[in-house]
Amino acid sequence: DAGVIQSPRHEVTEMGQEVTLRCKPISGHDYLFWYRQTMMRGLELLIYFNNNVPIDDSGMPEDRFSAKMPNASFSTLKIQPSEPRDSAVYFCASRSRVSAEAFFGQGTRLTVV
Amino acid sequence: GESVGLHLPTLSVQEGDNSIINCAYSNSASDYFIWYKQESGKGPQFIIDIRSNMDKRQGQRVTVLLNKTVKHLSLQIAATQPGDSAVYFCAENGDAGNMLTFGGGTRLMVKP
Repeated sequence: DAGVIQSPRHEVTEMGQEVTLRCKPISGHDYLFWYRQTMMRGLELLIYFNNNVPIDDSGMPEDRFSAKMPNASFSTLKIQPSEPRDSAVYFCASRSRVSAEAFFGQGTRLTVV
Repeated sequence: GESVGLHLPTLSVQEGDNSIINCAYSNSASDYFIWYKQESGKGPQFIIDIRSNMDKRQGQRVTVLLNKTVKHLSLQIAATQPGDSAVYFCAENGDAGNMLTFGGGTRLMVKP
């Protein structure tokens, strides 16, 4: 398996634009997590899914953020409209139900100007 | 995916020395802990884990110690190498058990 795959690796967008980040978890993993990493706040959990169902979205900062998992092999994190303070590295991670170890993707570096 | 921690605590060690990285966790209900390593431009990578029914676990060059009384976790790296230079995070599984909460991280710098 190629591991958790995220796209794009880098995204630069203008304030007010919609941004969509994509994630393909490791095949067979039941849990998918979206994290955000910033200098000020470190690694924060935004939302996680179990068997494609959102379980806890209490970390999603605002209604501008939304996440979906239409099937077991794909998830998106959308920001609409984007703001400069959304600039961060966004990580997707997945794990199986038999292990608590989460495997991370390479991240998407988002810059909103 | 850089760890952009300009204000991270930093540990600087000489190549070949042993390193000890410490972490204070917050939730007494946590029963599973992981140490992750994050190199520049990459996502966090698993190093070693420990369950709360243990107080020590050893890997190839790494050892994790858990002190539940004071909610403290440490990572010991033996014979530190330049390739060990990275940011290290401890993570705990918290109340729900299904997700990981990360600490702030420590930057390890290895001097040749």
